[in-house]
Amino acid sequence: GQNIDQPTEMTATEGAIVQINCTYQTSGFNGLFWYQQHAGEAPTFLSYNVLDGLEEKGRFSSFLSRSKGYSYLLLKELQMKDSASYLCVRGVDTGFQKLVFGTGTRLLVSP
Amino acid sequence: AAGVIQSPRHLIKEKRETATLKCYPIPRHDTVYWYQQGPGQDPQFLISFYEKMQSDKGSIPDRFSAQQFSDYHSELNMSSLELGDSALYFCASSSGGTGGEEEKLFFGSGTQLSVL
Repeated sequence: GQNIDQPTEMTATEGAIVQINCTYQTSGFNGLFWYQQHAGEAPTFLSYNVLDGLEEKGRFSSFLSRSKGYSYLLLKELQMKDSASYLCVRGVDTGFQKLVFGTGTRLLVSP
Repeated sequence: AAGVIQSPRHLIKEKRETATLKCYPIPRHDTVYWYQQGPGQDPQFLISFYEKMQSDKGSIPDRFSAQQFSDYHSELNMSSLELGDSALYFCASSSGGTGGEEEKLFFGSGTQLSVL
């Protein structure tokens, strides 16, 4: 992805907690999205952060530090269905919004 | 709730042929985006439209063109197809607001294009 770095793969076990980190280029920053994508399917929206801090949505939480160009997605009580790619996506302020995708982190949840 | 609809779901073409992909955005969404995702790669932005006008252009080859019609549906036209064009093509729509979470995209299921 363009100036977005996240781990390529992660593994975890059912019931565990996993944190997926993302660093990004801060210029023109206009929000940080996380999307989930199962193989061969469309990405689906998980979370959005524009201010520093933690946003919690059920088992998923997302954190942002604008000064550090850093975000993470925290998944709790992992389930097998959470096995997917997680895309860190930066909003770019170009007048008309455009999103820049990271390469994605493939998470494999095992029993 | 209505979602983004793309057609066809799968398309098989031969080299040098043409293909047309269609996208019907969520009702009242005025912004449409096209993305190309190769195997194991992240989605690459191709082009976007806002209120039927091209709003931004990414890594779209000159062989490709797109437009958004009066009913807000969009079509991606691909000519002189090459093997490297084989990919999953996503269309997404948004309400095109003034930024923030309202800009989040809703993706269609994609069109899997295979060029043989």
